[in-house]
Amino acid sequence: GQNIDQPTEMTATEGAIVQINCTYQTSGFNGLFWYQQHAGEAPTFLSYNVLDGLEEKGRFSSFLSRSKGYSYLPLKELQMKDSASYLCAVSSGTYKYIFGTGTRLKVLA
Amino acid sequence: GAVVSQHPSRVICKSGTSVKIECRSLDFQATTMFWYRQFPKKSLMLMATSNEGSKATYEQGVEKDKFLINHASLTLSTLTVTSAHPEDSSFYICTTVRSSYNEQFFGPGTRLTVL
Repeated sequence: GQNIDQPTEMTATEGAIVQINCTYQTSGFNGLFWYQQHAGEAPTFLSYNVLDGLEEKGRFSSFLSRSKGYSYLPLKELQMKDSASYLCAVSSGTYKYIFGTGTRLKVLA
Repeated sequence: GAVVSQHPSRVICKSGTSVKIECRSLDFQATTMFWYRQFPKKSLMLMATSNEGSKATYEQGVEKDKFLINHASLTLSTLTVTSAHPEDSSFYICTTVRSSYNEQFFGPGTRLTVL
């Protein structure tokens, strides 16, 4: 079957560092995406990995290990505006995405 | 990135009525669009793949006669929720893809509330 797992919720304080994990089991793999979604809004693109390793892109880097079926999104110097849901999605075939359940991150002052 | 619009952004309707949601690709011709549904505090679930000039492909468990998809042009796909019921209340999001990219581009979403 196809499965993507993420922690349901995480809480951290302003200025802290958190790491949001994603594990996946899919029949195909064409890349892994991370999205940020604020309540009531559509997801916005953060990062994309297709090769193993760390993809650095400003504040939003992401790491991928294809052999382990694992990715993480490190968030540094957390700000209140980072409170949102973070969605991991795997492209399992031509254009077809499978989304994880999302991780709701709460940043406290 | 690509620009995708949806209309309406919010709609409230009575149970039993039909609601049409439009998804437009504003800056390129999209032969393929996707429709997702998202319930509160849940992730996005793919409902169907909309193909220009042909029938949509529905995911398992999605009733094609209830969720009518029409992709009549390269810039417009519509989703019609027929005989809507309160359990159809959800956030509906469309996406487009470019053939040369693997990335999907999201519309802003439509919040449907069925009373």
